[in-house]
Amino acid sequence: GQQVMQIPQYQHVQEGEDFTTYCNSSTTLSNIQWYKQRPGGHPVFLIQLVKSGEVKKQKRLTFQFGEAKKNSSLHITATQTTDVGTYFCAAGAGSYQLTFGKGTKLSVIP
Amino acid sequence: DAGVIQSPRHEVTEMGQEVTLRCKPISGHDYLFWYRQTMMRGLELLIYFNNNVPIDDSGMPEDRFSAKMPNASFSTLKIQPSEPRDSAVYFCASSFGTDSPLHFGNGTRLTVT
Repeated sequence: GQQVMQIPQYQHVQEGEDFTTYCNSSTTLSNIQWYKQRPGGHPVFLIQLVKSGEVKKQKRLTFQFGEAKKNSSLHITATQTTDVGTYFCAAGAGSYQLTFGKGTKLSVIP
Repeated sequence: DAGVIQSPRHEVTEMGQEVTLRCKPISGHDYLFWYRQTMMRGLELLIYFNNNVPIDDSGMPEDRFSAKMPNASFSTLKIQPSEPRDSAVYFCASSFGTDSPLHFGNGTRLTVT
């Protein structure tokens, strides 16, 4: 079955530093979605990428989809304490069964 | 829009007991998903429905797990008999159309002692 690797598993940053999480698939994807889960909360949809090489921005967050549609990244510029949580990528391969990565847990030290 | 509603929020039960988790999807959504989340295995898809029909239940761990969707506004996930290894957070999510974002409920934290 499809495998989705997400790294790193944990990331501790000082407030104001940048943060990046990476997602890699063993197969070509139809789309990739990113979710954020706050501690004790539920996953909340952030964005969906569909096109090869696509780049989307949401304020301090930049999302990229690789040219081969097998990898993606989420970059946060100048982290804030409100960015704390676990970021998941979810890979779609056309069968409508999203495969979630294990997530990257971000801690921000004030 | 109230979002996806799950009940109960917390469930503590003894091994061997039957557990029923409930979910009300967002009105108009035609896909409903049940996920289980643990530290070790992350988010696992258990089963999903399209227009109330189960499409893929290959993620259901074993025969002790069953899910139903009798109508467009209600679904249940039942575990009978429950075991300690079933302890996890169970999320229900719904979406409209294929490849659409998932809207998750607040989850049910299940503890089986």
